[in-house]
Amino acid sequence: AQSVTQLDSQVPVFEEAPVELRCNYSSSVSVYLFWYVQYPNQGLQLLLKYLSGSTLVKSINGFEAEFNKSQTSFHLRKPSVHISDTAEYFCAVSDPSSGYSTLTFGKGTMLLVSP
Amino acid sequence: EAQVTQNPRYLITVTGKKLTVTCSQNMNHEYMSWYRQDPGLGLRQIYYSMNVEATDKGDVPEGYKVSRKEKRNFPLILESPSPNQTSLYFCASRDQPRDTQYFGPGTRLTVL
Repeated sequence: AQSVTQLDSQVPVFEEAPVELRCNYSSSVSVYLFWYVQYPNQGLQLLLKYLSGSTLVKSINGFEAEFNKSQTSFHLRKPSVHISDTAEYFCAVSDPSSGYSTLTFGKGTMLLVSP
Repeated sequence: EAQVTQNPRYLITVTGKKLTVTCSQNMNHEYMSWYRQDPGLGLRQIYYSMNVEATDKGDVPEGYKVSRKEKRNFPLILESPSPNQTSLYFCASRDQPRDTQYFGPGTRLTVL
């Protein structure tokens, strides 16, 4: 079974500083990779996804993630964070063993942006 | 507006009293799923459905039942709730596995 590891449960950072949220998954087969964001007291929203092709994917609000097959990683980065980026971020993976039907989530990383 | 709705949003109940949490989507999506979210554990998939009358177990199915008699609805049933099922539950839907998964607003369940 697929597993997802988010190495940091909490990442505190100052506004306008860069940030990286780490994500590693267990299998090196052809996976789909996702980052979801959950703002306080809300449901989850898709931030970005990797299905195939270019290994660097970007969101509309300045986040990007790079798929690294050899390291089985999909780290999320932003060069300059805002207070409004404070939220919990979840990495998720789907693989062909389930026909891509199931989605396995990491435990989440809380990004805390302070002024 | 494209959305996934869940009801109720909040529920406090007692051990053993059967309950149903409804989930409905208006996007004609094929796939629907139920997750539970617990602090420090992230989201764990309970059940999923690939289409009408096609459901399968996720990672934590014990104590839950689902049905998919219509494409738009995917209710979660707890036949005999126990305190360890106290959690935040999310329903989600997507058209195909590679597509964006849309989440409902969540149902906070407390079992006393």
